Amino acid sequence: DAGVIQSPRHEVTEMGQEVTLRCKPISGHNSLFWYRQTMMRGLELLIYFNNNVPIDDSGMPEDRFSAKMPNASFSTLKIQPSEPRDSAVYFCASSQEYSNQPQHFGDGTRLSIL
Amino acid sequence: GQQLNQSPQSMFIQEGEDVSMNCTSSSIFNTWLWYKQDPGEGPVLLIALYKAGELTSNGRLTAQFGITRKDSFLNISASIPSDVGIYFCAGRGIQGAQKLVFGQGTRLTINP
Repeated sequence: DAGVIQSPRHEVTEMGQEVTLRCKPISGHNSLFWYRQTMMRGLELLIYFNNNVPIDDSGMPEDRFSAKMPNASFSTLKIQPSEPRDSAVYFCASSQEYSNQPQHFGDGTRLSIL
Repeated sequence: GQQLNQSPQSMFIQEGEDVSMNCTSSSIFNTWLWYKQDPGEGPVLLIALYKAGELTSNGRLTAQFGITRKDSFLNISASIPSDVGIYFCAGRGIQGAQKLVFGQGTRLTINP
């Protein structure tokens, strides 16, 4: 079975540019989570969706960050404009909606903003 | 907000040794999860615990959900080179039931 699929795996871009990260959750999972991982702060939840609806975006650091889930099989995390401090590994995870179901992670997008 | 304290931060052991790491919290959690992360990959679920006192094994891995619901440990027996990586605990509290709080991770290094 395919796991959570993220693209691109690596992104290097100059500050000020728009960055779009993509995620395809596991089929049948209707909860989707976006995380950011850095050495300093570890794994931080940015936002999560249930049935394509954003439930909690309190972890989104600034208005420069936005996330969408237009359908059950696709989500994007966008940073516009990007800054060097946004450099991190961004993970997408999915789970079944029931609260006790574990989250399964993709392999992440390593983002470097120059 | 809820926080998890995971220890130790790093471990350097010999192949074949047993490993123990734990997570503690000042607040109650309803679920404890243990993940392993290899370089360049996402965290992979190892064990999920749902009841206070629950003891669950997955091969050489054993994890327990503390009776107070504020802690959990993970043991690895007879370590092998492929056990190298970063281990994370994660807890799901009563409030915001779907949100996971992650520990800082334990980096395991094994000398052959």
